[in-house]
Amino acid sequence: GESVGLHLPTLSVQEGDNSIINCAYSNSASDYFIWYKQESGKGPQFIIDIRSNMDKRQGQRVTVLLNKTVKHLSLQIAATQPGDSAVYFCAENMASGGSQGNLIFGKGTKLSVKP
Amino acid sequence: NAGVTQTPKFQVLKTGQSMTLQCAQDMNHNSMYWYRQDPGMGLRLIYYSASEGTTDKGEVPNGYNVSRLNKREFSLRLESAAPSQTSVYFCANSLEENQPQHFGDGTRLSIL
Repeated sequence: GESVGLHLPTLSVQEGDNSIINCAYSNSASDYFIWYKQESGKGPQFIIDIRSNMDKRQGQRVTVLLNKTVKHLSLQIAATQPGDSAVYFCAENMASGGSQGNLIFGKGTKLSVKP
Repeated sequence: NAGVTQTPKFQVLKTGQSMTLQCAQDMNHNSMYWYRQDPGMGLRLIYYSASEGTTDKGEVPNGYNVSRLNKREFSLRLESAAPSQTSVYFCANSLEENQPQHFGDGTRLSIL
């Protein structure tokens, strides 16, 4: 899950296993959610998004699940590969009280894939 | 097709110096953003521009100014740099607000 402090939570998985990265979001009015992957020295890379009228969305090897009741978002990566090693961020869009462009990012989870 | 291009990639400043970070996009997107990322933290929005000709403050605007020069370019200016502004700065764009944002590879700024 997401961290409050300076040390990122780390998820360590074996190559070929499935990974699940969790995120708790803060605003029940948020209606748009995005997962990003960030490799060392690079900018965040868009993975998948989901809007609040859905509870599941699938991409290539990735699935995002949204549980609005408990304000929880998860990213599932199937058959995790060494190239999936990175820091993963969830972001929510604060649809109320300001611009819809204002994404709020979580603090990230570091995924480490063991060969 | 470069996407979002940021210059410079690295910069060291002394306290009190001024600096403009440049961002250009070739995606013809309407909205552009500036974020800062500090160690162990997610990204925090400094300023954004929903469309050409408009700019708005984000979560941490103090000490910064922006200019949306045209649809392609969105610059971030530090008028009097402070050590607390040492960070990695990311520019992003999106087709419209509430759409996926696409990021450049960042400017690593150190202020001594």
